[in-house]
Amino acid sequence: EVQLVESGGALVQPGGSLRLSCAASGYPFINYWMVWIRQVPGQGPMWLSRINSDGSGKNYADSVRGRFTISRDNAKNALYLQMNSLRADDTAVYYCARASTRRYLDVWGKGTTVTVSS
Amino acid sequence: QFMLTQPPSVSGAPGQRVTISCTGSSSNIGAGYDVHWYQQLPGTAPKLLVFGDNNRPSGVPDRFSASKSGTSASLAITGLQPEDEADYYCQSYDGSLSGSYVFGVGTKVTVL
Repeated sequence: EVQLVESGGALVQPGGSLRLSCAASGYPFINYWMVWIRQVPGQGPMWLSRINSDGSGKNYADSVRGRFTISRDNAKNALYLQMNSLRADDTAVYYCARASTRRYLDVWGKGTTVTVSS
Repeated sequence: QFMLTQPPSVSGAPGQRVTISCTGSSSNIGAGYDVHWYQQLPGTAPKLLVFGDNNRPSGVPDRFSASKSGTSASLAITGLQPEDEADYYCQSYDGSLSGSYVFGVGTKVTVL
C-alpha cells in the first residue's frame, strides 16, 4: 500500500524551530518529486515547498523562503521540512504529498499539526 | 499567497447535477497548465479526485467530471449522492511563481 506518514508536529513558541518528517512506503520513493503543503482549518491548502527526485532542486513559496528548508533522504525513504523563525501564522496542519510529472498530488499523508503560540 | 477563485458553496438535492467553477489567470490555467480537483471530507486530508484531461484515479466514480476553457475550469457532479458532501479544491500550476502549485479557496458542497 502506498503510504505517507508525517510526524514532528508540536506546540512551539514564536521564533522557535521544528523539524517535520514524512515517511514514505509502498512505492519507489526515489522516483518521485515531493511537496509540503499546509492548511489552516477552514481555508484552502497552500503549497510550501517542492523537492526533485535526487534532492538537487528545491523551490519555496515566498511566505516561507529563507525560514523553511526542504530535504530528503532517499536511502531512508524520508522527506523533511526544517522550520525556523516560526510565527503565529505558521499554525496549520502540514501535509507531505507525492507529486506527479503532470503536477498533481496523487498521494497525501494524514497530516501533522503545528501550533505556534506563547 | 495567490489562490484560484471558487464559489464558497453549492448545494443540490440527491440525484441532481451541480457544478463548481475555478477561475485563474493567464499565468496558470490560461497558460495551459492542467487543472486538478481534490475532495476533502471533514477531518481528513485532501484526496485526488480528477486530474488533467478529465482523468479519475481508480475508485473514483464517473459521476465526477472536469473541463477547462480559457482561464477557468469546472467540476461537475452528476447524480449527487449524500457521501459527496465535502469540500472541493481545484489546483493548477503558476508559471510566474517559481515552482508554485496554486490551489483554489475551496467550495463546500451540501447535499440537501
